[in-house]
Amino acid sequence: EADIYQTPRYLVIGTGKKITLECSQTMGHDKMYWYQQDPGMELHLIHYSYGVNSTEKGDLSSESTVSRIRTEHFPLTLESARPSHTSQYLCASSERGNTEAFFGQGTRLTVV
Amino acid sequence: AQSVTQPDIHITVSEGASLELRCNYSYGATPYLFWYVQSPGQGLQLLLKYFSGDTLVQGIKGFEAEFKRSQSSFNLRKPSVHWSDAAEYFCAVAGDTGRRALTFGSGTRLQVQP
Repeated sequence: EADIYQTPRYLVIGTGKKITLECSQTMGHDKMYWYQQDPGMELHLIHYSYGVNSTEKGDLSSESTVSRIRTEHFPLTLESARPSHTSQYLCASSERGNTEAFFGQGTRLTVV
Repeated sequence: AQSVTQPDIHITVSEGASLELRCNYSYGATPYLFWYVQSPGQGLQLLLKYFSGDTLVQGIKGFEAEFKRSQSSFNLRKPSVHWSDAAEYFCAVAGDTGRRALTFGSGTRLQVQP
């Protein structure tokens, strides 16, 4: 059973606020990912990490930033939220050398 | 670059009927292929995966998929659909080298009629 957790599940916040979406996994996976998903649309990779102190931009340009100070933790931060950031954000992880990804339940962000 | 096409945006089937969801991929070498299911407001759950070997793979919940290299396809099938199968289904591909992050198709929404 996969153990990857995202908080909060739902967030409604005003424009200009700083937000951090949390993602934690207890499986000891080296690789972690953030995907963005608009309603009824495909998932787009926005950030990934191969391990501690390793972060890379994904395929879809994003104003968010990520950090990986601990193996189990991969938070995503938006310094100044805008309505265009309204979306669902999904975190995932996988083992080194493996492509099978385990997903969290997602955070649905609404910026008003 | 790898890519996935799911031609059917929305499919409606009757409960008990058979199901086939189409997936075509583009990747230059040996692909790793996946099917995920997403219920409303939830994350993604892995149904099945293909890495190598037998081209017909079995997954959870009675699903299976067949890898056809000549057609660059990885279609998902189920012989008898249950009402609880109504959800969004995503096909994904990853390479066997480099980044190995999943690239997803746009999804197929399955509706099940009683």
